[in-house]
Amino acid sequence: DAKTTQPNSMESNEEEPVHLPCNHSTISGTDYIHWYRQLPSQGPEYVIHGLTSNVNNRMASLAIAEDRKSSTLILHRATLRDAAVYYCILAPGNTGKLIFGQGTTLQVKP
Amino acid sequence: NAGVTQTPKFRILKIGQSMTLQCTQDMNHNYMYWYRQDPGMGLKLIYYSVGAGITDKGEVPNGYNVSRSTTEDFPLRLELAAPSQTSVYFCASSSGGHSSGANVLTFGAGSRLTVL
Repeated sequence: DAKTTQPNSMESNEEEPVHLPCNHSTISGTDYIHWYRQLPSQGPEYVIHGLTSNVNNRMASLAIAEDRKSSTLILHRATLRDAAVYYCILAPGNTGKLIFGQGTTLQVKP
Repeated sequence: NAGVTQTPKFRILKIGQSMTLQCTQDMNHNYMYWYRQDPGMGLKLIYYSVGAGITDKGEVPNGYNVSRSTTEDFPLRLELAAPSQTSVYFCASSSGGHSSGANVLTFGAGSRLTVL
């Protein structure tokens, strides 16, 4: 299973943009890049996913490098409610088997 | 829609006892998953299923058993509980099918298990 590497923790100020990096140098051509987040004492929730092109939704944007070996989750204006653990995951195109890594703990300061 | 429902929410077991964590989904999803999350750690995949009658091991299957007799239900069985199985257990589902890597997981609220 292809692995991802994320920083253990990051800090941001409220109302500022946040860029959460993820390295996945062993990604295969059919692996999708998913991001989930887990708020304290809750189950993970879906944020965004993509294959090759950049993606935008109401929660965030996903920027995928041209060689697909890295990606960045962008929260355009961090709020206190965005404080969570953010997981970058590779989802194989043929099995749907999702392996979670350690994730990045995002702290948002008022 | 209820989504993914897990029961019980909390349970305390004695070493050597057995129990089943229940998971049911009402979204007609083909794929279902069981993860465990130890304190301060990320999620580890225990077992997953791509359809009724089909299950496969994840990263940490030892000490657990699963079955998938219906599309809706995916129970997780602990046969001889050990303190190392103290954890929060999350069930999840996704629609699966062609290009299943694009499928989004919906998680349940979790079941907190303590083995003493």
